[in-house]
Amino acid sequence: GENVEQHPSTLSVQEGDSAVIKCTYSDSASNYFPWYKQELGKRPQLIIDIRSNVGEKKDQRIAVTLNKTAKHFSLHITETQPEDSAVYFCAASKPSYTDKLIFGTGTRLQVFP
Amino acid sequence: GAVVSQHPSRVICKSGTSVKIECRSLDFQATTMFWYRQFPKQSLMLMATSNEGSKATYEQGVEKDKFLINHASLTLSTLTVTSAHPEDSSFYICSASGGAGELFFGEGSRLTVL
Repeated sequence: GENVEQHPSTLSVQEGDSAVIKCTYSDSASNYFPWYKQELGKRPQLIIDIRSNVGEKKDQRIAVTLNKTAKHFSLHITETQPEDSAVYFCAASKPSYTDKLIFGTGTRLQVFP
Repeated sequence: GAVVSQHPSRVICKSGTSVKIECRSLDFQATTMFWYRQFPKQSLMLMATSNEGSKATYEQGVEKDKFLINHASLTLSTLTVTSAHPEDSSFYICSASGGAGELFFGEGSRLTVL
């Protein structure tokens, strides 16, 4: 089955700096890659997603890039703010199972003022 | 946007008792819902896929007799943790698709087994 690896497990940055989180997946059939932000004790919130027919997607300060050949995708957050502090999860799913997400191990991001 | 509601948000029970957690899609029909378990500071681990009107599909290593899933209607799936033990203490969270490709999560249920 699909296996998603994520790193780093923790990331500390200064406010205003950029943060990059990377994920790799094992199943070349996977074609949907969402990123979730989860605050302590709360449900995951979708922040951005990308499908395999696109190499890059951007939404304000957040961008995601996908390299299908290498089977990895990355989350980029620019101009980080303290409220970006949370745990971020990448995930992957396959066609016909687009709702069945396999999650990465998570990255705890801390943005210091 | 689509809303998925989960109840209860917190439950404390004695070892050996059973606990039922409900997951409802409030404004859409969900033929498929998913149940995840999340231990502290860990990732969401998919436990099972809940299919309306049929048996749930469990992930490898998840005991189906321990975690009973029922999806009797298009808006409700339930997870029952049977004969709960302290090691079952965790954050249980469900999800369902709103039909436009986005997956919506319930608020989660924190189970503590004493």
